[in-house]
Amino acid sequence: GAVVSQHPSRVICKSGTSVKIECRSLDFQATTMFWYRQFPKKSLMLMATSNEGSKATYEQGVEKDKFLINHASLTLSTLTVTSAHPEDSSFYICSCGGPVGELFFGEGSRLTVL
Amino acid sequence: AQSVTQPDIHITVSEGASLELRCNYSYGATPYLFWYVQSPGQGLQLLLKYFSGDTLVQGIKGFEAEFKRSQSSFNLRKPSVHWSDAAEYFCAVGGQGGNKLTFGTGTQLKVEL
Repeated sequence: GAVVSQHPSRVICKSGTSVKIECRSLDFQATTMFWYRQFPKKSLMLMATSNEGSKATYEQGVEKDKFLINHASLTLSTLTVTSAHPEDSSFYICSCGGPVGELFFGEGSRLTVL
Repeated sequence: AQSVTQPDIHITVSEGASLELRCNYSYGATPYLFWYVQSPGQGLQLLLKYFSGDTLVQGIKGFEAEFKRSQSSFNLRKPSVHWSDAAEYFCAVGGQGGNKLTFGTGTQLKVEL
């Protein structure tokens, strides 16, 4: 399957600061990437669809000004959590779409906001 | 709206025993179905997928799953579980080529030695 890399894998920040998470597709070009959030013992919640060269599409209930998504190239999408607060602490996972609808996931990024 | 139900939150099996993880879905058209595995602190790895053809699909690590349209199910099976199979398993449903998947709440598998 496709290789998707996320960075950083873990990040700890102070409340009020912003954190950027990168998602790269290493062996193919991804016009669309997806950002998920996973709470402890919970399933994955789709936050937004990142489209190369255009605005991201956010799911209902996700604050687009809080979670900024940029998809500047065919291999890179970034998620910036702005003015982070403890309730934003979570596991964020990006994914790229495969040819038959499957998703290939990055390793995930654990965000802890103090 | 599409949805996935994984009725078992936790399952414990002995190493070498057989395994079946249940998954029921709701989808308005022909579903694309997937099983993923997640180890602690890691991303998700695709085990297998179904989108057409033979309703019994083979995946990696000795897993298989059977699509039963009449029961809206896509249960995951393995004849003999290994201790390294202990992980969280997610079933997901989507549409043709859309990549927008809906995930179940997951089943935590524990393997007793």
